[in-house]
Amino acid sequence: EVQLVESGGDLVQPGRSLRLSCAAAGFRFDDHAMHWVRQVPGKGLEWVSGIDWNSNSIDYADSVRGRFTISRDNAKSSLYLQMNSLRPEDTAFYYCTRGSGSRFLGYFDYWGQGTLVTVSS
Amino acid sequence: DIQMTQSPSSLSASVGDRVTITCRASQAISNYLAWYQQKPGKVPKLLIYAASTLQSGVPSRFSGSGSGTDFTLTISSLQPEDVATYYCQKYNSVPPIFTFGPGTKVDIK
Repeated sequence: EVQLVESGGDLVQPGRSLRLSCAAAGFRFDDHAMHWVRQVPGKGLEWVSGIDWNSNSIDYADSVRGRFTISRDNAKSSLYLQMNSLRPEDTAFYYCTRGSGSRFLGYFDYWGQGTLVTVSS
Repeated sequence: DIQMTQSPSSLSASVGDRVTITCRASQAISNYLAWYQQKPGKVPKLLIYAASTLQSGVPSRFSGSGSGTDFTLTISSLQPEDVATYYCQKYNSVPPIFTFGPGTKVDIK
């Protein structure tokens, strides 16, 4: 069974940093691209960042480019999102999602339960 | 940038009704279109990919069609457990690569 478990969400002040983690299990992690998608409570879905299987292809939404950094550790079956210079508009649930294949392009076939990031003073 | 729109933004239908949701891309995206279902308080779930391919385990009352700029998600016979918000998503290579539609909220009349 595919499992994606996010952690690291917290209440943080504007301008501070936070690191999200996603622990994957139940599949061969390095066979899949991985992505972060966020959702403001009660609102729609926004893709944040993605990384292909060997970290050669990485991209970000314009809203987070230059502030967020995605990475992965295939040996640990883990995905990360380093979030710097956080803003109140970054407040959202952050979902770890599995890409449908190893390449960057693809749909998202499994989603974690999400972790809540709240940016507020 | 390619924009994704959905219509209607919400709908209310009776159990057993046929429900159709439309998703439109501002530029052609071939069939690089997925549909997701998000039930209240739950995580999004993949329903359909490549515009018309049903994800394993998804009930056959769900179907997708379209190519290019216009796509539809159809529920052939609405069930109470289908109450959810439905999102389309493009995933072709034209930036921004992964764009979700604004969602369509479906509930029971």
